[in-house]
Amino acid sequence: EVQLVESGGGLVQPGGSLRLSCVVSGFTFSSSWMNWVRQAPGKGLEWVAIINLDGSVKNYLDSVRGRFTISRDNAQNSLSLQMNSLRADDTAIYYCVRGSDAAFQSWGQGTLVTVSS
Amino acid sequence: QSALTQPPSASGSPGQSVTISCTGTSSDVGGYNSVAWYQQHPGKAPKVMIYEVSKRPSGVPDRFSGSKSGNTASLTVSGLQAEDEADYYCSSHAGSHYYVFGTGTKVTVL
Repeated sequence: EVQLVESGGGLVQPGGSLRLSCVVSGFTFSSSWMNWVRQAPGKGLEWVAIINLDGSVKNYLDSVRGRFTISRDNAQNSLSLQMNSLRADDTAIYYCVRGSDAAFQSWGQGTLVTVSS
Repeated sequence: QSALTQPPSASGSPGQSVTISCTGTSSDVGGYNSVAWYQQHPGKAPKVMIYEVSKRPSGVPDRFSGSKSGNTASLTVSGLQAEDEADYYCSSHAGSHYYVFGTGTKVTVL
């Protein structure tokens, strides 16, 4: 069974930092492009970042570039998202997602990040 | 990059069909055969229903079908059932490992 389990969400003040993690099982992590996708409360889906198989290719949503860093550890089957200089509009459920051009094929249940003073 | 445009809502009676559009530009929907559709029930993670414009993952009923013409993709749900009531989102590759989602459509089964 494919599983993606996110952790690390919580309440953080504007300007603060948070690190999200995702541990996967049930598929070959090292052969999968991975992403973070977010959903603000009551709003639609928004792609945030992607990383390739060995971490040598990364790309970001324009509004998070320079503040967020995606990384992976293939030995630990884990994906991370380091989020710095957080803003209120970063408040969302963050999903760990497997996939790339064809589709985002497998999703975790998400972890909620709330940026508020 | 702007979000792809979807109608906010669509509805149909059980057994009827509903079609949702997803309009982008030649830089995303029109430029790639990488359109996918996702179903999201309240409080749940999205689930892919269609990928590469018209392909169905295993386990997705053949009541769900996808197509594309120019810069607009469409999802059709035939033979509507109560469990089809959900939010639906399209997505597209937008070049250079960049992706964009649609604004979302709430489907109501009357």
